[in-house]
Amino acid sequence: DAGVTQSPTHLIKTRGQQVTLRCSPKSGHDTVSWYQQALGQGPQFIFQYYEEEERQRGNFPDRFSGHQFPNYSSELNVNALLLGDSALYLCASSFSWTGLEKLFFGSGTQLSVL
Amino acid sequence: KQEVTQIPAALSVPEGENLVLNCSFTDSAIYNLQWFRQDPGKGLTSLLLIQSSQREQTSGRLNASLDKSSGRSTLYIAASQPGDSATYLCAVGTTDSWGKFQFGAGTQVVVTP
Repeated sequence: DAGVTQSPTHLIKTRGQQVTLRCSPKSGHDTVSWYQQALGQGPQFIFQYYEEEERQRGNFPDRFSGHQFPNYSSELNVNALLLGDSALYLCASSFSWTGLEKLFFGSGTQLSVL
Repeated sequence: KQEVTQIPAALSVPEGENLVLNCSFTDSAIYNLQWFRQDPGKGLTSLLLIQSSQREQTSGRLNASLDKSSGRSTLYIAASQPGDSATYLCAVGTTDSWGKFQFGAGTQVVVTP
């Protein structure tokens, strides 16, 4: 049983470019959340997707957008990249949107913006 | 706004000692608290989940307690091993935002042989 998979593992972009990160949830999970983790800090909640809708959003600008597909996989898009967007981007999946179940994380995508 | 703090930021212990990791939160209106382990440059692995109605959870050498009224949780790791070296993070879910978790910055643990 595959866990949460994320691609790519590493990415280098320049300021102003756009990036798309991908996530496949653990089998049987229908909810995907995205987190941003800067070096030395805890993950910060970006948004959560359930039933192909953005259910909840953290304090991130509109440059951050996402999508969930019918097979529950998800994409995170970031436009007009800034140096400060350099971070580890983590995808987490769970059985439900409530948060009452354990979160399962992927290994993350390390994004470097030059 | 929920604030989650983990002190100390780093900890070094000799192999065999028990580890005590602390997590404090400012808003007691939580529905659960989770403890995670993170190895360098990797994702998070869930260790224990404590629902708000529970006082503690145990798994093998790990035991986590929760005191909602005082806004504290403690993770105990018995008889530490070098393989326990990692960063440990706690995450809190509050009832005004179901499904969104607030993380602490973590405690970096080094267990020396």
